[in-house]
Amino acid sequence: GEDVEQSLFLSVREGDSSVINCTYTDSSSTYLYWYKQEPGAGLQLLTYIFSNMDMKQDQRLTVLLNKKDKHLSLRIADTQTGDSAIYFCAESKGQNFVFGPGTRLSVLP
Amino acid sequence: EADIYQTPRYLVIGTGKKITLECSQTMGHDKMYWYQQDPGMELHLIHYSYGVNSTEKGDLSSESTVSRIRTEHFPLTLESARPSHTSQYLCASSELDRDNSPLHFGNGTRLTVT
Repeated sequence: GEDVEQSLFLSVREGDSSVINCTYTDSSSTYLYWYKQEPGAGLQLLTYIFSNMDMKQDQRLTVLLNKKDKHLSLRIADTQTGDSAIYFCAESKGQNFVFGPGTRLSVLP
Repeated sequence: EADIYQTPRYLVIGTGKKITLECSQTMGHDKMYWYQQDPGMELHLIHYSYGVNSTEKGDLSSESTVSRIRTEHFPLTLESARPSHTSQYLCASSELDRDNSPLHFGNGTRLTVT
């Protein structure tokens, strides 16, 4: 089956790094995505990685992919209060998308 | 920048009323989706469309219906709203012919049925 799993909650202190983890089960997934959802809003695409890549960096965001273990992580460097949100991991195979349950990131001052 | 719009943002309505949630996108995307997001945050796909005159049911059974008469417009209708329909409804779109086309989401409609 296709299940994407994430921890539901993460708390970090402002200025620290945040690492949000995700595991997926469909090894044939072609792309993996990270979305951010702020209160009262839709999902905003943060970044994505192709399944033949190990790492992708975009400013404060680093995505790591371990295809053998089907593990994806999102690292946010120098976490700010504006990073408080729900983060969704998603996998796609062709035209189908499967979302994880979301990780609620709380940034403490 | 994604251009996908949902109206209304918030709707409070009584049981038994008929409602239509609007979704429009200006990106020329062929594929459009409706997700229902429950208070536990999970997203559930309830409808999708590959293009004009195409509608498919998603993974979660829903009493709502959709139509796709124009590429840019994908409204969702509830013939008789019930309190169990209270939820956030998110519309999304993507390109059909690109494998790495991500989903672009609207800001959602938060529906409360009293």
